Amino acid sequence: KQEVTQIPAALSVPEGENLVLNCSFTDSAIYNLQWFRQDPGKGLTSLLLIQSSQREQTSGRLNASLDKSSGRSTLYIAASQPGDSATYLCAVNNAGNNRKLIWGLGTSLGVNP
Amino acid sequence: DAGVTQSPTHLIKTRGQQVTLRCSPKSGHDTVSWYQQALGQGPQFIFQYYEEEERQRGNFPDRFSGHQFPNYSSELNVNALLLGDSALYLCASSLRRYNSPLHFGNGTRLTVT
Repeated sequence: KQEVTQIPAALSVPEGENLVLNCSFTDSAIYNLQWFRQDPGKGLTSLLLIQSSQREQTSGRLNASLDKSSGRSTLYIAASQPGDSATYLCAVNNAGNNRKLIWGLGTSLGVNP
Repeated sequence: DAGVTQSPTHLIKTRGQQVTLRCSPKSGHDTVSWYQQALGQGPQFIFQYYEEEERQRGNFPDRFSGHQFPNYSSELNVNALLLGDSALYLCASSLRRYNSPLHFGNGTRLTVT
């Protein structure tokens, strides 16, 4: 059974810092992994999708990496800004389960001005 | 290009009542998935619809049912509401192919009293 864990659960950093959010999964047989952002009481915004054959994806100040063999993904945020404050969730598209994503509980990020 | 839209945004119901939530997918998308997100938790997969049929289902009782219409929009129905059904209900749309990223709406906040 696939399990997804995100560490840390919460993180508070000063503005301008580079930071890394971690996601680990127990079953390496995945189709892809997605990182999402969720603002309080709101829906989810897709940030990056990494297919199982890829090692990383980049979008602006965000870079996500994937190491299937070790069951890990990281989301790197460069030069953090107060507007980056949100909860970041990772979700794996488990092989054989099509669109049924398995989710972590998220990392709550606060960036202080 | 409209993204995923959900209605209503907020809803308050009493135990035992029935509720219908609505979702319009992103333009061009043909697959709709529904998720339940309790406070402080990751989303839990309810079911997915494609070609007007339920294709996959998570661990939710039969009180949760759905429908997809020819224009790809979808409804989520919950009968005999329980206090524990209080949550944010998220709709996500995508294309049928495996590596199509999910696009989420802002959700419907359901409170059962």
